[in-house]
Amino acid sequence: DAGVIQSPRHEVTEMGQEVTLRCKPISGHDYLFWYRQTMMRGLELLIYFNNNVPIDDSGMPEDRFSAKMPNASFSTLKIQPSEPRDSAVYFCASSLGGNQPQHFGDGTRLSIL
Amino acid sequence: RKEVEQDPGPFNVPEGATVAFNCTYSNSASQSFFWYRQDCRKEPKLLMSVYSSGNEDGRFTAQLNRASQYISLLIRDSKLSDSATYLCVDRDSGYALNFGKGTSLLVTP
Repeated sequence: DAGVIQSPRHEVTEMGQEVTLRCKPISGHDYLFWYRQTMMRGLELLIYFNNNVPIDDSGMPEDRFSAKMPNASFSTLKIQPSEPRDSAVYFCASSLGGNQPQHFGDGTRLSIL
Repeated sequence: RKEVEQDPGPFNVPEGATVAFNCTYSNSASQSFFWYRQDCRKEPKLLMSVYSSGNEDGRFTAQLNRASQYISLLIRDSKLSDSATYLCVDRDSGYALNFGKGTSLLVTP
């Protein structure tokens, strides 16, 4: 069975550019989570969805970040405009039920120059 | 932000050794606790949940002390393949996971 699929695996871009990260959750999972991992702050939740509806976006750093889930099989995380401090690994995870184990994708390694 | 604190290590141990990791959490409302494992440049993977009564999974034993807000992980008979970063995690009434920064383990031949 396919796990959580994220794209791209790596992204290098210049500051000021728009960045779009994509996630396909495991089929049938009703919860989707976006996390960010840096050396300084570790893994932090950005936002999560239940049945495509954003439930908690308190971890979204600022207005430059936005996330959408237009349907049950796709979510995007956008950064516009991007800044060097946004460089991190961004993970998407999904679960069947909020209390069930979260399955993580391989992550997107983002570098903003 | 509610904190989960861990000793970053690294812990360097020989094969066959027993090693213990500890972490503390600041959110007294936390309801669920986990240990995740993360290999270098890979995604985190659930190692085991942590229950109040303590639980064991093969060579791994997890303990929870709610009064002290303290969680531990014991690994017996360490294998080379146990080398990884171990993340202590809690969760409150919501469903988002709150991760510690991890403890690095290196098991040597």
